Amino acid sequence: DGGITQSPKYLFRKEGQNVTLSCEQNLNHDAMYWYRQDPGQGLRLIYYSQIVNDFQKGDIAEGYSVSREKKESFPLTVTSAQKNPTAFYLCASSIFPGTANSNQPQHFGDGTRLSIL
Amino acid sequence: SQQGEEDPQALSIQEGENATMNCSYKTSINNLQWYRQNSGRGLVHLILIRSNEREKHSGRLRVTLDTSKKSSSLLITASRAADTASYFCATDERGYSTLTFGKGTMLLVSP
Repeated sequence: DGGITQSPKYLFRKEGQNVTLSCEQNLNHDAMYWYRQDPGQGLRLIYYSQIVNDFQKGDIAEGYSVSREKKESFPLTVTSAQKNPTAFYLCASSIFPGTANSNQPQHFGDGTRLSIL
Repeated sequence: SQQGEEDPQALSIQEGENATMNCSYKTSINNLQWYRQNSGRGLVHLILIRSNEREKHSGRLRVTLDTSKKSSSLLITASRAADTASYFCATDERGYSTLTFGKGTMLLVSP
């Protein structure tokens, strides 16, 4: 079955530590996204990538970094510069809008919950 | 960033009743999408309605879009306990590259 896999499901970070959240998709989607969700809130965009080796900052990119070396993979690193990293992180993918210039439905993984020790 | 706003923030109903959630947005859009999120899980795409459409149906879901009022509504008919979830609207207000999500409506359907 095609889908998006996020790992781990739960992650704990110590002070001053960088942690990396994994996101893999086998949907052959060009575009991938990382969101942060805080309790009772909507999703806020951290980074997105429309093609391999290219990515763009979202609304809250400070303290985060990403890479897109393969179409299937879009890992997110939460650096020590992110002072309030406790949140639920969601990865998504979609078909690239292309010439349609129209947003496509996004497919989501089941998230990684990050907490501070 | 601009966000869609869902209304109400929370809704509690009995099984068999209809549930209506509303979404407002601020600028012109090409399409609006509705998503569902079960507790602790990722979002699931429900329906997409384009700016030139006024109404769309999918099973027990009915979505309307009023671009003059910059608003949309999601109606779930004959609700079931399994419909208990948070529902989010999302728009392409900032262009076709990304979606802008609202804060969601939490729906509780009691047996």
